[in-house]
Amino acid sequence: GNSVTQMEGPVTLSEEAFLTINCTYTATGYPSLFWYVQYPGEGLQLLLKATKADDKGSNKGFEATYRKETTSFHLEKGSVQVSDSAVYFCALRGGDYKLSFGAGTTVTVRA
Amino acid sequence: DAGVIQSPRHEVTEMGQEVTLRCKPISGHDYLFWYRQTMMRGLELLIYFNNNVPIDDSGMPEDRFSAKMPNASFSTLKIQPSEPRDSAVYFCASRLDGGRELFFGEGSRLTVL
Repeated sequence: GNSVTQMEGPVTLSEEAFLTINCTYTATGYPSLFWYVQYPGEGLQLLLKATKADDKGSNKGFEATYRKETTSFHLEKGSVQVSDSAVYFCALRGGDYKLSFGAGTTVTVRA
Repeated sequence: DAGVIQSPRHEVTEMGQEVTLRCKPISGHDYLFWYRQTMMRGLELLIYFNNNVPIDDSGMPEDRFSAKMPNASFSTLKIQPSEPRDSAVYFCASRLDGGRELFFGEGSRLTVL
């Protein structure tokens, strides 16, 4: 079945540091890939997505590229801010239209 | 526009009591999902509906859990009887048919003592 494996946290960074959260997936066919973000006390929000190989999703300074050859969708941001402190979820949607989520990575950015 | 609305936001109850969580999806969305989030297991899909019909309930942990969607604008998730291990945040989410983005509610935090 479809599954997502993402880097375990927690991750603690200083402001303006570079952030990478690794995500790899297992799926049949051609899934769509997503990153969701959950701020404290809130539900999940879509951060970015990519629907086919080599697509790059980007939003709020975050980027992720759909790499079919390595079955990866790593999230990156060049300069994080305190407001980026949240839990980040990698997710995959296959032909059955169900989203499979990774375990989530807690990111804390310190001023 | 209103997003996905869940109630209650917080519920504390005693073991053995019945718990009902409620969800109002975004108007016009065809799909509704119930997720459970815990530290141990992360986000788990419990059940989802398409046009008010339950499509896949394989994630429902046991018979104590049931979900209904009597109309396009309302769904409930019921736990009877509740147990301490049911303590979690329960999220409802909805999306359009063919849409790629899933819209989440703010969640219902359940604590079973």
